[in-house]
Amino acid sequence: GQSLEQPSEVTAVEGAIVQINCTYQTSGFYGLSWYQQHDGGAPTFLSYNALDGLEETGRFSSFLSRSDSYGYLLLQELQMKDSASYFCAVATGGGNKLTFGTGTQLKVEL
Amino acid sequence: NAGVMQNPRHLVRRRGQEARLRCSPMKGHSHVYWYRQLPEEGLKFMVYLQKENIIDESGMPKERFSAEFPKEGPSILRIQQVVRGDSAAYFCASSPGQGSNYGYTFGSGTRLTVV
Repeated sequence: GQSLEQPSEVTAVEGAIVQINCTYQTSGFYGLSWYQQHDGGAPTFLSYNALDGLEETGRFSSFLSRSDSYGYLLLQELQMKDSASYFCAVATGGGNKLTFGTGTQLKVEL
Repeated sequence: NAGVMQNPRHLVRRRGQEARLRCSPMKGHSHVYWYRQLPEEGLKFMVYLQKENIIDESGMPKERFSAEFPKEGPSILRIQQVVRGDSAAYFCASSPGQGSNYGYTFGSGTRLTVV
């Protein structure tokens, strides 16, 4: 089976940088994804890493180390609207099936 | 493009009744996935379907739950004889192709409450 670990809660101030870590154990790994979810709303896709290294998309970056079974999501210039839950997810089963972690609730304070 | 449409948004059923949850994928998307989310928890994979085919149902409970994605019309997740433990948010997602590098597009979910 698959298991993912990420911190349950992170708090940071507006304008700061925060890193949300994710470690995973899985077989047949295809890649690591990150999703954002506001207050039980629709999860929205943020990023996908299939290869080692850093992917940057605006204020958000995602990193993957396959040898360490580890990745992180980096959020820069935090804004209040970034307060949400962030889920890492591993792609298995030919890459079409996502297994999600339990999520990290990010609270951005003034 | 209206995105992934799920209905109803909220559904209340008495124990023993049937629940039918509908999902229309984004235009051009032929891959549909159903996930269940309990409060304060992550999304649990249930089933992956393509038109008229169930590709992976390893997350579906063996009894009372079924899913379909007919040639015409939305994908349906059906729960028979609901019990209180079925109360959860059920999310549908779609993608244009196989492989999560495309990114899933999720619907807004159906909140099922069993009373």
